[in-house]
Amino acid sequence: DIVMTQSPDSLAVSLGERATINCRSSQSVLYSSNNKNYLAWYQQKPGQPPKLLFYWASTRESGVPDRFSGSGSGTDFTLTISRLQAEDVAVYYCQQYYATPGTFGQGTRVEIK
Amino acid sequence: EVQLLESGGGLVQPGGSLRLSCAASGFAFSSSAMNWVRQAPGKGLEWVSAISGSGGSTFYADSVKGRFTISRDTSKNTLYLQMNSLRAEDTAMYYCAKDPRSGGYDSRGYYGYFDYWGQGTLVTVSS
Repeated sequence: DIVMTQSPDSLAVSLGERATINCRSSQSVLYSSNNKNYLAWYQQKPGQPPKLLFYWASTRESGVPDRFSGSGSGTDFTLTISRLQAEDVAVYYCQQYYATPGTFGQGTRVEIK
Repeated sequence: EVQLLESGGGLVQPGGSLRLSCAASGFAFSSSAMNWVRQAPGKGLEWVSAISGSGGSTFYADSVKGRFTISRDTSKNTLYLQMNSLRAEDTAMYYCAKDPRSGGYDSRGYYGYFDYWGQGTLVTVSS
């Protein structure tokens, strides 16, 4: 199975500041035939199910604020929250869907400093 | 509006069985692959099983293969997960999750992501 490793496990950021979450896969999730990275990002707020933020590594899901951005290719990916808002407190997960079974990172908890 | 409503969770003894259901609405149910994803208390996410839109193809994580069976009833817009020989390590919140694509699988396996999730149903396996 492809192992997804996120860093850091948790971070505390001041309101209005940038939050950066990294995700690394144990093998490339870039499919050469279509040049797409099979990588998704989810946000899970306390007591709620996960919510899709990005797919194909950088395609923003409808309704996701543009302060969120996804980037990266191959084995290294980043989720950035450019100006942290109080409602962004959550655990964030990356997921690869390049190989079966799809696997998730362990999650990164984002809190307000 | 897409809605996914799980039910059927509860407390069961090791070795027991449960059947989870997920009632879907607000989208073309037969056009979307559907999934079960679980989350043990305080832990991360684990994909459990997927079924194609037609129901003709099913996929399982190794951890549940041979014990769990996924199915769907398009006439009722409902997804199911039959769970047998339950173990303590199956204790988790079970989420029903929709794949936005009708494909996303081949003979080797399933390759999906999830655009809508239900609120989950809690399964506790304990004596």
